Amino acid sequence: EDKVVQSPLSLVVHEGDTVTLNCSYEVTNFRSLLWYKQEKKAPTFLFMLTSSGIEKKSGRLSSILDKKELSSILNITATQTGDSAIYLCAVKTGNQFYFGTGTSLTVIP
Amino acid sequence: DAGVIQSPRHEVTEMGQEVTLRCKPISGHNSLFWYRQTMMRGLELLIYFNNNVPIDDSGMPEDRFSAKMPNASFSTLKIQPSEPRDSAVYFCASSLRVWGTSGVSYAEQYFGPGTRLTVT
Repeated sequence: EDKVVQSPLSLVVHEGDTVTLNCSYEVTNFRSLLWYKQEKKAPTFLFMLTSSGIEKKSGRLSSILDKKELSSILNITATQTGDSAIYLCAVKTGNQFYFGTGTSLTVIP
Repeated sequence: DAGVIQSPRHEVTEMGQEVTLRCKPISGHNSLFWYRQTMMRGLELLIYFNNNVPIDDSGMPEDRFSAKMPNASFSTLKIQPSEPRDSAVYFCASSLRVWGTSGVSYAEQYFGPGTRLTVT
């Protein structure tokens, strides 16, 4: 059965901390892995990863895929209260998108 | 671009009633996805369309659910009859499906604001 697992389920940090969110997957016919940020509304796209070992960066956020380990990490440096959200990982296979249950990040001032 | 548009934003209905959710994808996108999100099960893909054709509806929970895409700019998700366990946020997303050197790939999906459905 194809599945995507995210860890931790929830995380509380102080402003300025660096966090690492994990996503592991077991799927057949992997095509790509996507990260989304969801606040109190619809998910917004962060990154799409298809190649192993190539880091994608956007400001304080970065992500990398490890196809050998079947996993990806999302790093957020110098966290801010505006980073508080649920971070979703999704894996695209040949026919399906599978989402993890998300990591709930809370950044305390 | 206005992004993906969904209506209604909130729907409260009684058990047994028919519910129709609507979605207008981003102009030019050729793939459309319907998702359901609950606290218990997270975000689940229900069905998706490529060029208005349903490709995979294995996520549709049961025969009470049906989805149509009569043209490239409109899709509906219908629940008939509705049940309390259908209460969830229903998202529509659209994407561009492209052909590359390694086969079909999808660009990132853009989500609509969602419809919060409550069935009492």
